[in-house]
Amino acid sequence: SQELEQSPQSLIVQEGKNLTINCTSSKTLYGLYWYKQKYGEGLIFLMMLQKGGEEKSHEKITAKLDEKKQQSSLHITASQPSHAGIYLCGADPGYSSASKIIFGSGTRLSIRP
Amino acid sequence: GAGVSQTPSNKVTEKGKYVELRCDPISGHTALYWYRQSLGQGPEFLIYFQGTGAADDSGLPNDRFFAVRPEGSVSTLKIQRTERGDSAVYLCASSPSGRDTDTQYFGPGTRLTVL
Repeated sequence: SQELEQSPQSLIVQEGKNLTINCTSSKTLYGLYWYKQKYGEGLIFLMMLQKGGEEKSHEKITAKLDEKKQQSSLHITASQPSHAGIYLCGADPGYSSASKIIFGSGTRLSIRP
Repeated sequence: GAGVSQTPSNKVTEKGKYVELRCDPISGHTALYWYRQSLGQGPEFLIYFQGTGAADDSGLPNDRFFAVRPEGSVSTLKIQRTERGDSAVYLCASSPSGRDTDTQYFGPGTRLTVL
């Protein structure tokens, strides 16, 4: 079965600094999702990547999928307190049409003022 | 427009009791998913509905767990003879059609505590 490993597990960053979160898959990714979760809330969709080498940006957040489609990174530029939360990567296993998502364990991001 | 809603937001029950968790998907979404999230972990897939039918229930941990979606909109996750290990946040998501290019929109979850 497919497994996703996220690193780091937690991260504390000074406000205004840049940061990167990584997501590595044990198998080729057919689709890679990034979600953000605040404590006690549901998941907020950030981006989805499907093609090798694909890169998408939304405001100060950029996500990339490597050419081999086994690793993705999420980069935040000039971090703000609003970026704090848990970032989850999720994979479409691709072997069925159910499109269930297999998630990593998450990266907990804290922003220090 | 309204997003995915889940009720109750919190549920505390005693070991051995029966619980029902409700999910109201986004109007018009044919695909509905249930996930379970334990503390410090990512969500874990339980079951997927396409319309009224369960298209994939491979994630249900055992036969104490059951879910229905009788009219293709609202879904209820039912847990019999609850155990302390069932304590988790139960998340519901919906998507327009269930295609692998669809975005899944998540509700706020129901936090279940089994004492």
